[in-house]
Amino acid sequence: AQTVTQSQPEMSVQEAETVTLSCTYDTSENNYYLFWYKQPPSRQMILVIRQEAYKQQNATENRFSVNFQKAAKSFSLKISDSQLGDTAMYFCAFITNDYKLSFGAGTTVTVRA
Amino acid sequence: DAGVTQSPTHLIKTRGQQVTLRCSPKSGHDTVSWYQQALGQGPQFIFQYYEEEERQRGNFPDRFSGHQFPNYSSELNVNALLLGDSALYLCASSLDRGGEKLFFGSGTQLSVL
Repeated sequence: AQTVTQSQPEMSVQEAETVTLSCTYDTSENNYYLFWYKQPPSRQMILVIRQEAYKQQNATENRFSVNFQKAAKSFSLKISDSQLGDTAMYFCAFITNDYKLSFGAGTTVTVRA
Repeated sequence: DAGVTQSPTHLIKTRGQQVTLRCSPKSGHDTVSWYQQALGQGPQFIFQYYEEEERQRGNFPDRFSGHQFPNYSSELNVNALLLGDSALYLCASSLDRGGEKLFFGSGTQLSVL
């Protein structure tokens, strides 16, 4: 079975500070993609960042970066210089050759002014 | 360029009824996947349609069925609605079943009374 675990149900961060969200996953596949999605109150699922499992270099998108540890099956997201607009639910997910995207339970991030 | 569009945005049904949700994929995409997101949880994969056929299915009963049309749009049908079917239903589209670039619609919120 393919599972994703997000152990932090809620995180709070001061504006302009940094917050790190944790994620672990389990799969027997060797080729897969990892994602972090953001879901604001509008409930639109927005792709934040993507990582190919075969790439050792960690992905970065502006203020968002990941720490991908393949052997440990860990995929954390760091949000730097947090902004009020970052307040949302964040989901860790991955997809393998079966084309099924598996999601974690999510972490609610609240950015305080 | 229109993204993924879903209709209706909200729907209220009673137990035992049947419902049809609709999805138009992003222009150029030929694959549609459906996800169910219960309140406070991550989305769960229902099934995927490619070339007008169901190619992959998640752990959902036969009450959940779908269809893909020649223009790649898709419908999700749920029969004999249960209270537990209340959820946000998300449609995602991609090209050639590729999971590395999924685009999500804004979802249909289904409430079963």
